[in-house]
Amino acid sequence: EIVLTQSPGTLSLSPGERATLSCRASQSVSSSYLAWYQQKPGQAPRLLIYGASSRATGIPDRFSGSGSGTDFTLTISRLEPEDFAVYYCQQYGSSPKTFGGGTKVEIK
Amino acid sequence: EVQLVESGGGLVQPGRSLRLSCAASGFTFDDYAMHWVRQAPGKGLEWVSGISWNSGSIGYADSVKGRFTISRDNAKNSLYLQMNSLRAEDTALYYCAKAEYYDILTGYFDYWGQGTLVTVSS
Repeated sequence: EIVLTQSPGTLSLSPGERATLSCRASQSVSSSYLAWYQQKPGQAPRLLIYGASSRATGIPDRFSGSGSGTDFTLTISRLEPEDFAVYYCQQYGSSPKTFGGGTKVEIK
Repeated sequence: EVQLVESGGGLVQPGRSLRLSCAASGFTFDDYAMHWVRQAPGKGLEWVSGISWNSGSIGYADSVKGRFTISRDNAKNSLYLQMNSLRAEDTALYYCAKAEYYDILTGYFDYWGQGTLVTVSS
């Protein structure tokens, strides 16, 4: 099983600032099959990024993903008020399809 | 518009059974694999089970293997999760999720339902 470790656990930032979230895998993620999801309180997760760097339909270009192998990053270039949420990475290249523990982006 | 609507959750005693359903619409259901993902109160996401487009490939998390059974009825555009021998640690919000691929070997989850809450308690 591939274990995904997200850091930091909580990120305290102000609107307009840049957010950098990390996701590290215990072994290489095949074909960069790495996705990022956003979850707001009381809502289902929403797909942001797939294939490590491809934005899902309707996702603003302030969200970008990068990385390969075992190290992946989600960057939000300028935080908007609606971006404060919990973010999860997921590898979907091997079974079981594991999720990271999440990073909460909160308003400073 | 893709819609996934879960139902069947509720309060159940330890050791008992429950069957969850997910009604899908807005896409060609039998073209895609489907999955169940759960989230315990205040915790992160845990993949539970997945099923390929034709039910030919099925997978389970170790935590539910032997107790849960996933199935689908393509004629009814529906996904199911039969949960037996329920434990307190199965308490969670259960989401139905559509994969963007026909098999469970790969595929990210591009659409999610709103979830149905399962509470296992005496």
